[in-house]
Amino acid sequence: GQQVMQIPQYQHVQEGEDFTTYCNSSTTLSNIQWYKQRPGGHPVFLIQLVKSGEVKKQKRLTFQFGEAKKNSSLHITATQTTDVGTYFCAEINSGTYKYIFGTGTRLKVLA
Amino acid sequence: GAGVSQSPRYKVAKRGQDVALRCDPISGHVSLFWYQQALGQGPEFLTYFQNEAQLDKSGLPSDRFFAERPEGSVSTLKIQRTQQEDSAVYLCASSLGTVRNTEAFFGQGTRLTVV
Repeated sequence: GQQVMQIPQYQHVQEGEDFTTYCNSSTTLSNIQWYKQRPGGHPVFLIQLVKSGEVKKQKRLTFQFGEAKKNSSLHITATQTTDVGTYFCAEINSGTYKYIFGTGTRLKVLA
Repeated sequence: GAGVSQSPRYKVAKRGQDVALRCDPISGHVSLFWYQQALGQGPEFLTYFQNEAQLDKSGLPSDRFFAERPEGSVSTLKIQRTQQEDSAVYLCASSLGTVRNTEAFFGQGTRLTVV
């Protein structure tokens, strides 16, 4: 099925280190959302980005939408064990009703 | 209810059996989505409802899959003659408004295992 590329697929970090996941699309997006899914859980909405070049922050999380609206990133500063989970971007193309989820980046934080 | 509720949480079906998965969205939510999530993968879109209208069913993998939302609230995803490749977690999500501008709230999912 159709999915958005995310890199890396897996990331193991020591607690306190930073983490970044990247989401890349071949098409221009109307907006993009980010979700977090804890092991055994369901996706939980984090943020939505709409404007070209937009940057939003939530405590230690920084979300960015590319200038061309074809890529996005999520950066976590000073990771904590509570950050463990899989982070998905979800893109919405203009004219469709679908959220197309990325392949996800699975983050493991070592204490 | 407070969130999106799905039932059953777990379902084991023998190959060839029909199954029905239920989703109770958040009250008042216009949009409802069904997704299929295989182990280690991201959710894959199946279908979308706006109230009772099924506006997009392009993600349904075969004609064995059927979804309905007859009164614009509860939705049912039915899978006929289940196959082993249907084994996955089926996630339902709802959102308050039109899809582009609102966040989706996901249910806990139904884990379907076809044996």
